[in-house]
Amino acid sequence: KAGVTQTPRYLIKTRGQQVTLSCSPISGHRSVSWYQQTPGQGLQFLFEYFSETQRNKGNFPGRFSGRQFSNSRSEMNVSTLELGDSALYLCASSPASGGNEQFFGPGTRLTVL
Amino acid sequence: GQSLEQPSEVTAVEGAIVQINCTYQTSGFYGLSWYQQHDGGAPTFLSYNALDGLEETGRFSSFLSRSDSYGYLLLQELQMKDSASYFCAVRPRGNYGQNFVFGPGTRLSVLP
Repeated sequence: KAGVTQTPRYLIKTRGQQVTLSCSPISGHRSVSWYQQTPGQGLQFLFEYFSETQRNKGNFPGRFSGRQFSNSRSEMNVSTLELGDSALYLCASSPASGGNEQFFGPGTRLTVL
Repeated sequence: GQSLEQPSEVTAVEGAIVQINCTYQTSGFYGLSWYQQHDGGAPTFLSYNALDGLEETGRFSSFLSRSDSYGYLLLQELQMKDSASYFCAVRPRGNYGQNFVFGPGTRLSVLP
């Protein structure tokens, strides 16, 4: 079974721009969660999607949004980028919402200049 | 609220045993998970404790004591490839708007 894939792997943007990141979960997994990882804040939960519905949302501003498609693929969007948005964005999939084991993708390294 | 604490760094030599502790302050959670992350890599699942006690998976064991708000990951017969960051995580009960809450991570360095 193929693992979780994320595209692009690296991205450089400038302040004020917007960005869309993509995540394809493991086949058969219906839950996709997104995390932001930075050296200072660690791994922080952004949101979880299950069956095209947002199930949970972390404490991030409204500039961060996401969606899930019928094939369980998910995208997250960050608008009006700020320097502090530079981070590794990880998505993780699991068969069901709230699964005990999450399978992480390799992440997208976003740099905001 | 939910918060987890871990030591920031641990150093040990090849072949040794190391214990990485995780203490938490949370009003309720489903279980304690552990993840390993090598530099530049993705976190990978190591173990999950739903109940108090010890779970063993090969060289790795994990322990949970809800009454002591404490858990640990035990790595035996350390190998150089075990050098990585280790995160504990809980999934809170109730409507906290969180899926998983991760600890700050412990960087393990295994020396020859």
